[in-house]
Amino acid sequence: AQSVAQPEDQVNVAEGNPLTVKCTYSVSGNPYLFWYVQYPNRGLQFLLKYITGDNLVKGSYGFEAEFNKSQTSFHLKKPSALVSDSALYFCAVRVNAGNNRKLIWGLGTSLAVNP
Amino acid sequence: GAGVSQSPSNKVTEKGKDVELRCDPISGHTALYWYRQRLGQGLEFLIYFQGNSAPDKSGLPSDRFSAERTGESVSTLTIQRTQQEDSAVYLCASSTRTSTDTQYFGPGTRLTVL
Repeated sequence: AQSVAQPEDQVNVAEGNPLTVKCTYSVSGNPYLFWYVQYPNRGLQFLLKYITGDNLVKGSYGFEAEFNKSQTSFHLKKPSALVSDSALYFCAVRVNAGNNRKLIWGLGTSLAVNP
Repeated sequence: GAGVSQSPSNKVTEKGKDVELRCDPISGHTALYWYRQRLGQGLEFLIYFQGNSAPDKSGLPSDRFSAERTGESVSTLTIQRTQQEDSAVYLCASSTRTSTDTQYFGPGTRLTVL
């Protein structure tokens, strides 16, 4: 079965330190991978995606993610965290298969950046 | 340009009543999706429209749930005879037709069934 795992419910980092939010996936076929962020009482905002090509993808707000096919991972990273990065982060995957457009989602990781 | 909009933003209803949730996608986006997010959970796929047809409605949890779309525009999600377990945030997203499309989300409708 296709699935996405975000192994950490919560990640705590100090402001200015690098952050990593982990995501692993299990799909058949070539995956399209996405990261979204959800701020309190606001909708989901797209951060970045991996479709093909360079394994390191850069996105909004200084975030980047690295696609690792052998480890089936797509971890989200940022070199220097800001307090304003505190939010809920979701990883999602779509299989490149015809008309199937459904995204499969992880359960989310709550990121807390401490001043 | 305008993003995805949803209405109402909040809906409180009594168990057994029917509710209608509305989604206005980004202009020009042919694909439209409905998801449900229960408190503290990830997103649960409900249904996907391409134009006004629904190639994938596999996520609709029961026959109390239905959705329709007018052309490549507004969609409504209807829940009949609501139950308390229907309480959740219902999110709508839209995207272009291309296979590498990004889904852009509306702010959601928070449904509370008393």
